[in-house]
Amino acid sequence: NAGVTQTPKFRILKIGQSMTLQCTQDMNHNYMYWYRQDPGMGLKLIYYSVGAGITDKGEVPNGYNVSRSTTEDFPLRLELAAPSQTSVYFCASSYSIGNWPYEQYFGPGTRLTVT
Amino acid sequence: GNSVTQMEGPVTLSEEAFLTINCTYTATGYPSLFWYVQYPGEGLQLLLKATKADDKGSNKGFEATYRKETTSFHLEKGSVQVSDSAVYFCALSDHEPSYGKLTFGQGTILTVHP
Repeated sequence: NAGVTQTPKFRILKIGQSMTLQCTQDMNHNYMYWYRQDPGMGLKLIYYSVGAGITDKGEVPNGYNVSRSTTEDFPLRLELAAPSQTSVYFCASSYSIGNWPYEQYFGPGTRLTVT
Repeated sequence: GNSVTQMEGPVTLSEEAFLTINCTYTATGYPSLFWYVQYPGEGLQLLLKATKADDKGSNKGFEATYRKETTSFHLEKGSVQVSDSAVYFCALSDHEPSYGKLTFGQGTILTVHP
């Protein structure tokens, strides 16, 4: 099992550019999440998904979009990148029984700089 | 809304010292509580968890007890090692219908010197 994989590991964007952060999990987890981690701060939830075709906003969704066409993949799209989106982005997944979720497994992160 | 507050850091200790990292929370419901650890250059890993009042989570010598009366979940270890140097995050997740969404504290950097 590779667990949760993220690509790329690092990326530098110019203001106004767009990009997609990739996230894939091979554990057949139904729940997936995107967080951002700013220096000296905890992680904040951007978007989450409870299954293929179902996504919802988290605490800080502005400037981002997501889709979930398969159980395995949960890409995060940045449109019109801004310096405020400079951060480390983590994808996570978990399984659930009913609505009771279990441990979240995190990917290694993508460090994004917008200049 | 929910919030998690961790003690101010960073924390610097000598090997074999006793560790406490304080964590208090505010939640509208009756949450599950977690400690996650992030080693340099890596993603977060679950260290321990507790799902109801008075539960004690433990792993790798670390312990934390869910105290509902003081809304706290302090992390302790009796004798730290250099390999424990990492960032520690306290987090909570409300029960249904939160879908496992985590609210994190700001993290505490722990450095252990030989």
